[in-house]
Amino acid sequence: DAGITQSPRHKVTETGTPVTLRCHQTENHRYMYWYRQDPGHGLRLIHYSYGVKDTDKGEVSDGYSVSRSKTEDFLLTLESATSSQTSVYFCAISEYSSGRSYEQYFGPGTRLTVT
Amino acid sequence: QKEVEQNSGPLSVPEGAIASLNCTYSDRGSQSFFWYRQYSGKSPELIMFIYSNGDKEDGRFTAQLNKASQYVSLLIRDSQPSDSATYLCAVKVAGGSYIPTFGRGTSLIVHP
Repeated sequence: DAGITQSPRHKVTETGTPVTLRCHQTENHRYMYWYRQDPGHGLRLIHYSYGVKDTDKGEVSDGYSVSRSKTEDFLLTLESATSSQTSVYFCAISEYSSGRSYEQYFGPGTRLTVT
Repeated sequence: QKEVEQNSGPLSVPEGAIASLNCTYSDRGSQSFFWYRQYSGKSPELIMFIYSNGDKEDGRFTAQLNKASQYVSLLIRDSQPSDSATYLCAVKVAGGSYIPTFGRGTSLIVHP
């Protein structure tokens, strides 16, 4: 299994509070991603990173920010949590090498509930 | 807008049968194709990827790619109840893109 951990694994928070989710990898992969997964919507990309301090927005980035100060860590922050951000959040990593093509490996996920 | 379409299912097959999961995509520039398995409450797990037209076999799994018709399939031979899961198709275009587009997945149920 790819060495990807996410913390916390479960969190319940109140509307309006900031929340930070952490993704940590031991694979030294360059690319990291944050997705959310909701019934009826599948996986949706929130933000991604293509290197230390290099990040960009995905399709559902409103209300989220990210930071990557080290290769191994990618943080997702909900600036002011809303009930619509209740979801399961997955981190993924990928790398390019000859004969392969950026296949993604996923972390175990964080289940976030905003009350 | 890149689109990846999968029948949501559920697809129900008896144990020992062949399960056939299909995925169509809209972008003719697509180059890399991935199949993920996701058990309920778990994260997606990569099971196969394919780049070239034709078939690629790995154990009980076979991925079939037809770029002219813009579809990719996953066949699971000798299906087992443990294969019951949601199967996600992901597609990546050629060039420097490293972000795939995911389908919404097909639920597979293998009944004894």
